[in-house]
Amino acid sequence: DAKTTQPPSMDCAEGRAANLPCNHSTISGNEYVYWYRQIHSQGPQYIIHGLKNNETNEMASLIITEDRKSSTLILPHATLRDTAVYYCIVRPPSGTYKYIFGTGTRLKVLA
Amino acid sequence: SAVISQKPSRDICQRGTSLTIQCQVDSQVTMMFWYRQQPGQSLTLIATANQGSEATYESGFVIDKFPISRPNLTFSTLTVSNMSPEDSSIYLCSVAGGQGKAETQYFGPGTRLLVL
Repeated sequence: DAKTTQPPSMDCAEGRAANLPCNHSTISGNEYVYWYRQIHSQGPQYIIHGLKNNETNEMASLIITEDRKSSTLILPHATLRDTAVYYCIVRPPSGTYKYIFGTGTRLKVLA
Repeated sequence: SAVISQKPSRDICQRGTSLTIQCQVDSQVTMMFWYRQQPGQSLTLIATANQGSEATYESGFVIDKFPISRPNLTFSTLTVSNMSPEDSSIYLCSVAGGQGKAETQYFGPGTRLLVL
């Protein structure tokens, strides 16, 4: 299973864009990149996922490099409620739903 | 996305006892998973709960310690047996293979367990 590497912590000013990087250099061609966040020990919340193309939804944007070895989650206008631990996960191919969680990035949004 | 509930939400238990955690989802799902999150740590997968068959356990987790039931497509239980203080963790269930984003996992709120 492909592993992910994320910075342990980041700060972001409220109202600014938060850019959270993830390295997944051993990803294979049919593995998806998923992002979740966990606010104060609640259950992880699904944010977004993608395979090759950039993706956007109401919560965030996901930018995946052309070689797929890294990705960036963008929260366009961070608020204090976005303070959380963000996890980048590489999901194995269809039929294998198992996730391997890394250590994540602790994002602190500052007022 | 699926609505997932867990019972109890938290508990304080004595060492040597057992606790059964319930996970209920509001729609039928193919896959249910159980995770453990020790204090200050990331999530670790305990097992995959398979409907109609025995659970599939990850390395380091055994059925005698963490027996799992999956009687139907909306319900599962995890029992933490013969507990010790090292079992103090958040236990989370997740589901996948339902409607919508079928291969995306959705997580329950967790059960916070403290073993004295």
